[in-house]
Amino acid sequence: GAGVSQSPRYKVAKRGQDVALRCDPISGHVSLFWYQQALGQGPEFLTYFQNEAQLDKSGLPSDRFFAERPEGSVSTLKIQRTQQEDSAVYLCASTIGGLAEAFFGQGTRLTVV
Amino acid sequence: GENVEQHPSTLSVQEGDSAVIKCTYSDSASNYFPWYKQELGKRPQLIIDIRSNVGEKKDQRIAVTLNKTAKHFSLHITETQPEDSAVYFCAAPITNAGKSTFGDGTTLTVKP
Repeated sequence: GAGVSQSPRYKVAKRGQDVALRCDPISGHVSLFWYQQALGQGPEFLTYFQNEAQLDKSGLPSDRFFAERPEGSVSTLKIQRTQQEDSAVYLCASTIGGLAEAFFGQGTRLTVV
Repeated sequence: GENVEQHPSTLSVQEGDSAVIKCTYSDSASNYFPWYKQELGKRPQLIIDIRSNVGEKKDQRIAVTLNKTAKHFSLHITETQPEDSAVYFCAAPITNAGKSTFGDGTTLTVKP
């Protein structure tokens, strides 16, 4: 596609519910990143894939967060047993690799009630 | 890890004036410094970037300057327009542009 696509745009989850957020990166982009953006703050790094390999997951806040990119293209961020503090915008970005421009998706706004 | 500090957190200017936003970083290994603009409810978009082998880069009304010795870089917007109103983020990745440490953002308001 022309840009990074994320779905859903908005998700309301009841506390304790599991959610899955999808990211479709720019075709051919090797690197894919997930960020969490709280209101009024900059994006915070969660995890990074190079093709299908998850090279860094140091930013994942707990073991309730899990990400995968099984075929090296689409990625899914899963949050189990959601809690109110998980409410945020989750951004996905992809790059061709290395120090090149990062293209962001529009994000998924997750609200846990 | 990298620590990025950005200021001011808010900036209000009159249309036509200049705006300057500054970021400092901690890791001397950082060698690529992008600036992103994020309009309300929209995705961050790259507006300009600079690599460590140059001290300044310009693109029309936007410029970025880098002082590697002092570990700071600044965004300069001249002849500001209302459509420049947005949140601006700096970032300092070490090896990969995607794995960036972002500043907390500057909310720029340009008053007509």
